[in-house]
Amino acid sequence: DAGITQSPRYKITETGRQVTLMCHQTWSHSYMFWYRQDLGHGLRLIYYSAAADITDKGEVPDGYVVSRSKTENFPLTLESATRSQTSVYFCASSAAGLALPLGEQFFGPGTRLTVL
Amino acid sequence: GDSVTQMEGPVTLSEEAFLTINCTYTATGYPSLFWYVQYPGEGLQLLLKATKADDKGSNKGFEATYRKETTSFHLEKGSVQVSDSAVYFCALRDRDDKIIFGKGTRLHILP
Repeated sequence: DAGITQSPRYKITETGRQVTLMCHQTWSHSYMFWYRQDLGHGLRLIYYSAAADITDKGEVPDGYVVSRSKTENFPLTLESATRSQTSVYFCASSAAGLALPLGEQFFGPGTRLTVL
Repeated sequence: GDSVTQMEGPVTLSEEAFLTINCTYTATGYPSLFWYVQYPGEGLQLLLKATKADDKGSNKGFEATYRKETTSFHLEKGSVQVSDSAVYFCALRDRDDKIIFGKGTRLHILP
């Protein structure tokens, strides 16, 4: 399917476990992003990537790890999950280049993560 | 740093009412401005955008005008429908090409 997908859509885990959230896009967009959405905070950027093998921290990176070995995939790993990481996680992608509406991001459907 | 402030919700209106959701921003220079919408159970999707002062973005009956003098980008719609019930996010693109989102405004439309 074309577009941006996330898996799993729902995940329940326990404190201290490692969890990986997957994100896959079919547009070959250069940029990919991970956000978390929490009541009262809106969307906060966790990490982003401008291209394969290039990643950078966002506003709230602590406790998270990302990698981008292929342009189309951008997994987010919680190395040792904590209750404060209970949230809805959104992956997004956008293209670079003057021919496209810079800044428009395309969002995946989200992953609802609960850490017990 | 750059920031976006939008009115807190929830906003509850009757069908066919006029809608305004206020949004102001703080930024260096003149950033591109966006409104995103999130329908229940879905990710965000771009609703409209404006890239320079006095630009008006419009889509699905929604409009917003980039006002440099008041650093605002208020979202308006003349007659809302139940299907417009969603969370609306105002956002800007900063100099590092990152999107800075407001906290979102939940809109409920009553039939």
